[in-house]
Amino acid sequence: DQQVKQNSPSLSVQEGRISILNCDYTNSMFDYFLWYKKYPAEGPTFLISISSIKDKNEDGRFTVFLNKSAKHLSLHIVPSQPGDSAVYFCAASELGSNYQLIWGAGTKLIIKP
Amino acid sequence: DAGVTQSPTHLIKTRGQHVTLRCSPISGHKSVSWYQQVLGQGPQFIFQYYEKEERGRGNFPDRFSARQFPNYSSELNVNALLLGDSALYLCASSGGTGIYGYTFGSGTRLTVV
Repeated sequence: DQQVKQNSPSLSVQEGRISILNCDYTNSMFDYFLWYKKYPAEGPTFLISISSIKDKNEDGRFTVFLNKSAKHLSLHIVPSQPGDSAVYFCAASELGSNYQLIWGAGTKLIIKP
Repeated sequence: DAGVTQSPTHLIKTRGQHVTLRCSPISGHKSVSWYQQVLGQGPQFIFQYYEKEERGRGNFPDRFSARQFPNYSSELNVNALLLGDSALYLCASSGGTGIYGYTFGSGTRLTVV
């Protein structure tokens, strides 16, 4: 039973354009969401997060949007750069159970020059 | 400053054997969490330790165990290895309990043959 789903295994975007990565969840008890980026042979690195009391959080080129009614969040990267090519994971934490993250399967983002 | 270090980086074991994976957290971090990432999936939570005590356990069989030492380093032990235990094992450290401020190591790639 996948509680966090990233339905696009891969996404290809032209350099300079917007990259939009999507994530859906089923557990209404999730109250905190995070995006991580992972390069080959490295561990995941934290990108940006959002609390369930917000619907948007921005950090430089990265913006995360949360739609609680649709149980959907998205990560926007503008403009996309070659160094953004990586696997992006969406993860969530359940209210009252903050010792673990529930992860999606990841989306591989490829930025074309 | 040294990040989270994991050893070994790769190892191959035979079914039925036992394995010990090691993790050294960032200096000053008192919490260590372990995750298993099977190819094509997102990481799955195994354990969290804080101040040498287990704070959370994921849905893994008793063949998996861990401990944290006085210097906050940690070991993950897996007994009676199965082919399905082949995965990337990730260690993350943070200053406190919970899922905030995770820094991941590069992982140990375990192959069971």
